[in-house]
Parts: sequence; C-alpha cells; structure tokens
Amino acid sequence: AQKVTQAQTEISVVEKEDVTLDCVYETRDTTYYLFWYKQPPSGELVFLIRRNSFDEQNEISGRYSWNFQKSTSSFNFTITASQVVDSAVYFCALSTPYNTDKLIFGTGTRLQVFP
Amino acid sequence: EAGVTQFPSHSVIEKGQTVTLRCDPISGHDNLYWYRRVMGKEIKFLLHFVKESKQDESGMPNNRFLAERTGGTYSTLKVQPAELEDSGVYFCASSSNRAEQYFGPGTRLTVT
Repeated sequence: AQKVTQAQTEISVVEKEDVTLDCVYETRDTTYYLFWYKQPPSGELVFLIRRNSFDEQNEISGRYSWNFQKSTSSFNFTITASQVVDSAVYFCALSTPYNTDKLIFGTGTRLQVFP
Repeated sequence: EAGVTQFPSHSVIEKGQTVTLRCDPISGHDNLYWYRRVMGKEIKFLLHFVKESKQDESGMPNNRFLAERTGGTYSTLKVQPAELEDSGVYFCASSSNRAEQYFGPGTRLTVT
C-alpha cells in the first residue's frame, strides 16, 4: 500500500522563525517521486518540488529546503526565516510510475506565520 | 502561458440535482487528472485521462460520477444525482510528461 503521513495538522510560528514540516511516506516500489505543494488562501495548489527516489541530495531554493532520507522514509520541508506570505496549507505527495503517476497526498499541514 | 482553469469556482446545489464541472488544462498537456478533497481529509485521486482516453478511473467513487474529455482538450466531471457526501473541492491537474502536475484553483461544490 502507498501512504503519506503528515502528522502535524497545524503549526504556528512568528515571522523570521525557521519551521520544518514533516512528511513520512510508505511504498513498496523502488522507483517513486515525492512532491510538495503549497495551497495559499486563494485555493490553488502550487507545485514546489519533485524528487525521485534515486536522488537523496538535499535541495535548497531560496528560503526553502528539503531533506530526503530513504532510511527513515521521510521528505521534510524547512522554511528558513518564515514570512507572513508563507502562511498556507502544505501538502506532501507520492507517486509511482507503476501506479499511473497519480498523486497520493497527505492530509496537509496548515502553517500560520504571525507578524 | 495560461494555467489550468476550472469552472465554476463555486457551486451550491440541492441533493438530487445535477452539476457539471469543467477543467481546461494547460495547452498541449495530454495528461489530465481529477482529484477531490472532502472537508478535513486528504486530496484523493479520481481519474486520469491521456488525451481523450481514460487511463485510470480507479478513484471514481460510484456511477453517479461521469467524466469526459472529448477531443482530448477540456474535461467535464458530472455528478448526477448529487448527494451530501459529494461536497468538497474538486481539483483538476494537467501534465505534459506525467511528472509535475499543475493544478487549477479548484471548484468548491456544496450539496445541501
């Protein structure tokens, strides 16, 4: 079975704090992809990143960074020096080519950044 | 380049009525997906089109849901007759290479 768990339902931080959103996944497939999407208050889902299972290098993009660890089946997302505009619901997702590439989503983590 | 668009943005209907949701994918994207998020739960896959063909419809909840993609361009998702449990946000996504899926803003369906 394939599953994505985002144990943190809601996180509140004050601006400029660093925050890490956790994501744990389950799959028996050796080839798979992991994603993060952001859903701001406007409602659309914004693609942030895709990683494949053969690339465990950490990724950094501006204030965003991702830590992929196959040993713990985790793909955590860190926002450094958070800003109010980072307030959104963040979804982690998994797909495999053996499962027609449909996305399996976690339940999402609502991040609130206060000024 | 225009993104994925969905219409309407919000629909309120009574139980037993019919509703049709529309999705226009990014031009040139052969892959089109429908997903649904019921309040407080995860976003769940409904079905996947490759051009006009249904590649995977394993997520369709029951035969009250009918999806079409005539001509391989836009897609419609009809719910007939609607039930209370159909309420939620319906997302459409498209991709060119089955890698990154780009999502539309969603249609919020409320069945009363």
